[in-house]
Amino acid sequence: KQEVTQIPAALSVPEGENLVLNCSFTDSAIYNLQWFRQDPGKGLTSLLLIQSSQREQTSGRLNASLDKSSGRSTLYIAASQPGDSATYLCAAPNQAGTALIFGKGTTLSVSS
Amino acid sequence: SAVISQKPSRDICQRGTSLTIQCQVDSQVTMMFWYRQQPGQSLTLIATANQGSEATYESGFVIDKFPISRPNLTFSTLTVSNMSPEDSSIYLCSATTGGPNTEAFFGQGTRLTVV
Repeated sequence: KQEVTQIPAALSVPEGENLVLNCSFTDSAIYNLQWFRQDPGKGLTSLLLIQSSQREQTSGRLNASLDKSSGRSTLYIAASQPGDSATYLCAAPNQAGTALIFGKGTTLSVSS
Repeated sequence: SAVISQKPSRDICQRGTSLTIQCQVDSQVTMMFWYRQQPGQSLTLIATANQGSEATYESGFVIDKFPISRPNLTFSTLTVSNMSPEDSSIYLCSATTGGPNTEAFFGQGTRLTVV
């Protein structure tokens, strides 16, 4: 059964810093992995979907990598801004490839 | 991509009552799901909403407590029945536009507080 773990649980950085969020998963037979952003009390915004055939996916200041063999993904945020403050969730498909299994998230706080 | 609208966005309900949450997608989607996010926790899948047939529930969730409908390819409802304070959570609707292992999109969630 797929399990997804995210570290750290919380992170506080000053504005402008580059940072890395980590995600690990137990079942490496995945077709993709997805990163989301969640603002307090709100729904999820899809940030990046990285397919198993890709090693990296980029969108603006965000870069996600995927290493299936080691069961790890990272989300790199460049030049962080206060507006980046949110909870970041990573999710891998369940065995059927239908619904998602989520990690507990990393809550990021960027101070100005 | 798909834009998902949920109603209501939040509600405060009395224990013992029921609330129906609506999920509308702006395009036809293959799969729709309902998740629950309890306070301070991550998302847990409640069920897969199947068009024209009974939903498929995850372990720990039952139809009597969380009846789900999906009459067509763009609309689904989740009812939280006979509510107790333990049902206070954010409920989120999700959809995928392709087959398995395609990108998932989420609604803005329904924040439910049971008093």
